[in-house]
Amino acid sequence: QSVLTQPPSVSGAPGQRVTISCTGSSSNIGAGYHVHWYQQLPGTAPKLLIYGNSNRPSGVPDRFSGSKSGTSASLAITGLQAEDEADYYCQSYDSSHWVFGGGTKLTVL
Amino acid sequence: QITLKESGPTLVKPTQTLTLTCTCSGFSLSTSGVGVAWIRQPPGKAREWLAVIYWDDDKRYSPSLKSRLTITKDTSKNQVVLTMTNMDPVDTATYYCAHGAGGDPFYFDFWGQGALVTVSS
Repeated sequence: QSVLTQPPSVSGAPGQRVTISCTGSSSNIGAGYHVHWYQQLPGTAPKLLIYGNSNRPSGVPDRFSGSKSGTSASLAITGLQAEDEADYYCQSYDSSHWVFGGGTKLTVL
Repeated sequence: QITLKESGPTLVKPTQTLTLTCTCSGFSLSTSGVGVAWIRQPPGKAREWLAVIYWDDDKRYSPSLKSRLTITKDTSKNQVVLTMTNMDPVDTATYYCAHGAGGDPFYFDFWGQGALVTVSS
């Protein structure tokens, strides 16, 4: 069981908007630690998608956005594309160690 | 361009010690603020942070695995080494090294491809 809880899977049709939630607690997200998001395409290295709750690294399309409220965070993907089909992970910090969500598999229908 | 690459055995026997090397390029392990972490992901399970080493040789370990882990760095080779003792089949996982960014606590802006380690007799 992961410290951060994510839905195992989400799906959407091309062009649609999907959101992936990441639920933590008062010792991690709720304690004010930032949430970061990673995308992992099959057979590739994880890629940083969102850092510091809502910031996109250079090169990440603005279709990807992040938000945080209380003990939870969300990743939103608008204008869904086939190439977005991947696993998505959230990450934060908790009591002197780094913690991850269990990952969410996004299927583009 | 920052890159990291993991290397080590693909198969270890139970009770053996695993040694993994992360070869880093595009940054120096001795530069102030730099950190490199090891993270693993068992098949079908969640990612788990294992250890991190900082430019000043400060080290932190996962509380649940602290007794079995040692992280070191060789700045002359720009490599980070993780050793894990007393390996067990439950330690079968893909092991990643990652570059820390954004100040402490880090996020991880560059990752290696990962090294799959199977523990079996």
